Amino acid sequence: TAGITQAPTSQILAAGRRMTLRCTQDMRHNAMYWYRQDLGLGLRLIHYSNTAGTTGKGEVPDGYSVSRANTDDFPLTLASAVPSQTSVYFCASSDSAGGSTDTQYFGPGTRLTVL
Amino acid sequence: GQNIDQPTEMTATEGAIVQINCTYQTSGFNGLFWYQQHAGEAPTFLSYNVLDGLEEKGRFSSFLSRSKGYSYLLLKELQMKDSASYLCAASDSNYQLIWGAGTKLIIKP
Repeated sequence: TAGITQAPTSQILAAGRRMTLRCTQDMRHNAMYWYRQDLGLGLRLIHYSNTAGTTGKGEVPDGYSVSRANTDDFPLTLASAVPSQTSVYFCASSDSAGGSTDTQYFGPGTRLTVL
Repeated sequence: GQNIDQPTEMTATEGAIVQINCTYQTSGFNGLFWYQQHAGEAPTFLSYNVLDGLEEKGRFSSFLSRSKGYSYLLLKELQMKDSASYLCAASDSNYQLIWGAGTKLIIKP
């Protein structure tokens, strides 16, 4: 079982460009999440989705958008990248559909550099 | 506001025991997670506590005191492969995880 996959593994992007980070899970989990991880800071939630067809804003949603057209995929789009979006991005999933605490499982991450 | 505090870095010796502390302040509380993260890799689940007390799982144990807003992760018989960052995360009233910045554990021979 692959679990959660993310693509690309790493990317260098010019400021102002549009970029979509891909995330796919094969565990049939209801909930999916996007986090960014920066040195000296904890994981910060960007957007989440409790079930297919629904999305919600996390702690740091500005400059990012998501969609959840089906259970398996949860792409994250940067409409116009800025250098402050340089970070490592992790996608995660959990079995809960909101309203309960469940273990989150993480993808391998995408290292994004915006110049 | 919501906050998780844990030490930035700790050093321990191979074969020894180390305790990593975590204090949390959240709006509501629905449990406390510990994750391990090796450099350049994804976080992986270690433990979950929602009731007070100690949960033991092999060489790793996790403790929770809800009244004190406090948890610790205890690692016994340290091995070099335990060198990693250990992330503490509390589930708040909306079941969202609030994450600490992580404790980098360095194991010396």
